[in-house]
Amino acid sequence: GAVVSQHPSWVICKSGTSVKIECRSLDFQATTMFWYRQFPKQSLMLMATSNEGSKATYEQGVEKDKFLINHASLTLSTLTVTSAHPEDSSFYICSAPRAGVTDTQYFGPGTRLTVL
Amino acid sequence: AQSVTQLGSHVSVSEGALVLLRCNYSSSVPPYLFWYVQYPNQGLQLLLKYTSAATLVKGINGFEAEFKKSETSFHLTKPSAHMSDAAEYFCAVNTGNQFYFGTGTSLTVIP
Repeated sequence: GAVVSQHPSWVICKSGTSVKIECRSLDFQATTMFWYRQFPKQSLMLMATSNEGSKATYEQGVEKDKFLINHASLTLSTLTVTSAHPEDSSFYICSAPRAGVTDTQYFGPGTRLTVL
Repeated sequence: AQSVTQLGSHVSVSEGALVLLRCNYSSSVPPYLFWYVQYPNQGLQLLLKYTSAATLVKGINGFEAEFKKSETSFHLTKPSAHMSDAAEYFCAVNTGNQFYFGTGTSLTVIP
């Protein structure tokens, strides 16, 4: 089956620092990847769509200057939380559709970000 | 517009009892429908999906779901709950390349 990995699985940082989260498709290429944010006991909220070779598309209300997305290759997308604050603490999950199987998303295991 | 509604944010069943998790959708086009399971501090794992083939879809771990267009429903069932089924379950609809998730149902299995 298709596998998506995320790194790191958890990170703790000080307020004001920047944190980079990686999302990799391990056994397939993904021209598109999605970044979600999940608060405790809540559903996933789509933050942005990451497009290989072009700018990411952000959902309404998501600050693109705060959540920088780079889709550098067909297997890697990164989300950088800039100048993180405690309210950015959350569970961040990425997903990717497999090329030719656009009806199904494969999800990464998530990254737990805690900002002190 | 596309959306998914999951009735019941918390469901408790006894071990061995029937599991029924409800999902209703709204979609302006024929939808693809999914059920995902999430264990604590983990990502989402696909349980099953409906993609306009058979209306009764069988998934992993003994789960199945039936697509009922007349009721705009895609309820998830399992005949006999197991302790390991305790988790968060999400229904989702995909009408293109974007998913819309329900708010989730937390399943508790009582020994």
